[in-house]
Amino acid sequence: GPKVLQIPSHQIIDMGQMVTLNCDPVSNHLYFYWYKQILGQQMEFLVNFYNGKVMEKSKLFKDQFSVERPDGSYFTLKIQPTALEDSAVYFCASSPRQGQDTQYFGPGTRLLVL
Amino acid sequence: QQQVRQSSQSLTVWEGETAILNCSYENSAFDYFPWYQQFPGEGPALLIAIRSVSDKKEDGRFTIFFNKREKNLSLHIKDSQPGDSATYFCAASDTNAYKVIFGKGTHLHVLP
Repeated sequence: GPKVLQIPSHQIIDMGQMVTLNCDPVSNHLYFYWYKQILGQQMEFLVNFYNGKVMEKSKLFKDQFSVERPDGSYFTLKIQPTALEDSAVYFCASSPRQGQDTQYFGPGTRLLVL
Repeated sequence: QQQVRQSSQSLTVWEGETAILNCSYENSAFDYFPWYQQFPGEGPALLIAIRSVSDKKEDGRFTIFFNKREKNLSLHIKDSQPGDSATYFCAASDTNAYKVIFGKGTHLHVLP
């Protein structure tokens, strides 16, 4: 089936540093998402991105977070500065359209903030 | 407030039994309900989904039963196999939504 790739698979950084998580979505998809998951528990929606803009974001999407997809390259999640509570697995997803379309998830990036 | 609730955090069944995973939701506007399966170290993968105009969706060993009036649904896994051991997320969205709301997940253990 369609594949979403995420780079890197693991990242360890010191608190206060900047980190960029990269996502290569399915090629013909138009909607992109980031989710946060802690300890294999609930998937928490962070943000939805379409046509160069954030369409919706949750309370978890703090001011230190930003997303972009310059010129059809990677869809990125940047955290600057990082905090201890940002340690989690971050999943990228993409879908052809919104709402009832299937979201395809990547394998996740495991972020550890020390 | 939890918009999508999964009644069991964990469920254990024997191989060959039918596993039943329950889910309920709050928002009447939700009209699309996917179930995702997640194995450790991997991202969630769509298993089966139902739209609110239907009350049942079947795909092989997996069946969703949906009750719009009661705002609940269940995933039935017939003839459970050890390879079905995973976390199952019930999720919901509406047609115009930019996001899917996930439940907290049910860890299914199928014992051989």
